[in-house]
Amino acid sequence: SQQGEEDPQALSIQEGENATMNCSYKTSINNLQWYRQNSGRGLVHLILIRSNEREKHSGRLRVTLDTSKKSSSLLITASRAADTASYFCATDAGRGNKLVFGAGTILRVKS
Amino acid sequence: NAGVTQTPKFRVLKTGQSMTLLCAQDMNHEYMYWYRQDPGMGLRLIHYSVGEGTTAKGEVPDGYNVSRLKKQNFLLGLESAAPSQTSVYFCASNSRGYSSTQYFGPGTRLTVL
Repeated sequence: SQQGEEDPQALSIQEGENATMNCSYKTSINNLQWYRQNSGRGLVHLILIRSNEREKHSGRLRVTLDTSKKSSSLLITASRAADTASYFCATDAGRGNKLVFGAGTILRVKS
Repeated sequence: NAGVTQTPKFRVLKTGQSMTLLCAQDMNHEYMYWYRQDPGMGLRLIHYSVGEGTTAKGEVPDGYNVSRLKKQNFLLGLESAAPSQTSVYFCASNSRGYSSTQYFGPGTRLTVL
């Protein structure tokens, strides 16, 4: 069963615009992570936010976490064509570092 | 460092055939995982290992077996392939600890006819 649910399923924007993706989950978590997957490739870790953090930045990425609403958002600022990919949130809820992935948001950045 | 590598990259099987997918990591990670990814879905955990000689079932273990004889290798076996096992398979690894970032291999695309 999937813990994280991303919204929207697909997003198409122009280069230079900001892209926002949301993730909702169901149970308490230790941390939440965002991964990117380029077409035909493996997943690449982008950012991890712990349950006691509310916001985190990494370059053009900004992640927020609201544990009361069990939701997170990933903001990519000043998007580029190279940001075109699928983005997944994953939650770490227990021992063994098992992650549960959502179905992903497909982002297309048009140049 | 090569990171996480997977062999083979592509494979076509007939129903009932068997095969083994190999995952290797050179980061001295304790934890290793096998996932499958199907269209429109996220990754689903098949089996995982928390150390050499240990394995455990994930969310969708039926039809698969695994072995972790060496710390750096994690093998996924299909004893009698079925069309429902057509998927892209990803291996991942990470070290112990609270920061549970996983490092993924490039994937194996398997088609079962």
